[in-house]
Amino acid sequence: QKEVEQNSGPLSVPEGAIASLNCTYSDRGSQSFFWYRQYSGKSPELIMSIYSNGDKEDGRFTAQLNKASQYVSLLIRDSQPSDSATYLCAVSTNAGKSTFGDGTTLTVKP
Amino acid sequence: GAGVSQSPRYKVAKRGQDVALRCDPISGHVSLFWYQQALGQGPEFLTYFQNEAQLDKSGLPSDRFFAERPEGSVSTLKIQRTQQEDSAVYLCASSLGQNSYEQYFGPGTRLTVT
Repeated sequence: QKEVEQNSGPLSVPEGAIASLNCTYSDRGSQSFFWYRQYSGKSPELIMSIYSNGDKEDGRFTAQLNKASQYVSLLIRDSQPSDSATYLCAVSTNAGKSTFGDGTTLTVKP
Repeated sequence: GAGVSQSPRYKVAKRGQDVALRCDPISGHVSLFWYQQALGQGPEFLTYFQNEAQLDKSGLPSDRFFAERPEGSVSTLKIQRTQQEDSAVYLCASSLGQNSYEQYFGPGTRLTVT
């Protein structure tokens, strides 16, 4: 079992819909949680970080963290075709290495 | 401002050759990370520096892999006697450190071993 699990997808949503991406992790000592977007052939781009339980909103993106359930999610509102990418969940126990999931591929259909 | 830069962007090596991959972090970033990413997978941690100190090298797959950051800025990842299984994208990331943990990635170096 991987330390960070994500549904590989593909997840397909129509333009304007809400896309919901989920991630679970195994290390209860994890303290920092990140979502990255990776376009095909490009490197990961940080889009959200969250450190405490609850919701954190930034524009069309909302990250949700539940440490008791070891679960972190990303909601993308008003999805656009340009949101089509692979979304990577990353978890860190300290200021050192991050452990990544294998990503969920999202396709937003016009 | 300038982001993380990596060179070369692409490298083709014959099996058995040594390669050196360079990473130039964001100016002022204390922490520097190397990851390896295979196709269809998430990045896998290789090693981590805080300034010039290598604090964690637990992810280096073998003693053929070596990383350094002698002056606490530019870092080099060296792979000796390359093997076909070393073919991957090598990603460098940096972060401010000092209670700021967000990592910012460079464009990566795609290594192909033939």
